[in-house]
Amino acid sequence: QSALTQPASVSGSPGQSITISCTGTSSDVGGYDHVSWYQQHPGKAPKLLIYDVSKRPSGVSDRFSGSKSGNTASLAISGLLAEDETDYYCSSYTNSRTVVFGGGTKLTVL
Amino acid sequence: EVQLVESGGGLVQPGGSLRLSCAASGFTFSFYWMHWVRQVPGKGLVWVSRINSDESITSYADSVKGRFTISRDNAKNTLYLQMNSLRAEDTAVYYCASDVHPYYSYYAMDVWGQGTSVTVSS
Repeated sequence: QSALTQPASVSGSPGQSITISCTGTSSDVGGYDHVSWYQQHPGKAPKLLIYDVSKRPSGVSDRFSGSKSGNTASLAISGLLAEDETDYYCSSYTNSRTVVFGGGTKLTVL
Repeated sequence: EVQLVESGGGLVQPGGSLRLSCAASGFTFSFYWMHWVRQVPGKGLVWVSRINSDESITSYADSVKGRFTISRDNAKNTLYLQMNSLRAEDTAVYYCASDVHPYYSYYAMDVWGQGTSVTVSS
């Protein structure tokens, strides 16, 4: 199972909005709505931001939102804050009954 | 407090075995699907395995299938990962994580442990 494709890096200014893409195939992202997004600060465990494409766990800011179109899922972050600068990963259920992660995207807040 | 604490990591020679444990507290462990995820420091997350609440369903990444075995003891609130025939490429930090909601698998990992480091080297 190949990793999902994410841009290596994205950037934005404080207060702006950015989007991170996550591209898979019809065997994973395109075939199921079990797409999740995680935020991971250096040296820390990942934090779940979004599951089932667009659902937020309790306690996650509504500045984070998710969507999907075809084989590509997206994470949008609005009102960028300095604390948002870190790594983000997507994941998806696959037709092999496994889970596959994306390669990760480093967000820089300029 | 909801918490997962991994243990059992360490240095092992290629071809060796190791068993990781993950102790759960603060939630009804037996209701949740559980996962193992690994990460080479500085690299991305890689999903390893998952198990349902009564151990009747398990699945594995191709890279560990046939070598790793996931299991759980609901009476002890503990998840395990038995790792055999270890290779250098298994070197990573191993995290256990619980699914986001009880009873069903949403393939989304909500509560995570702090990770335990496994190094496979001679």
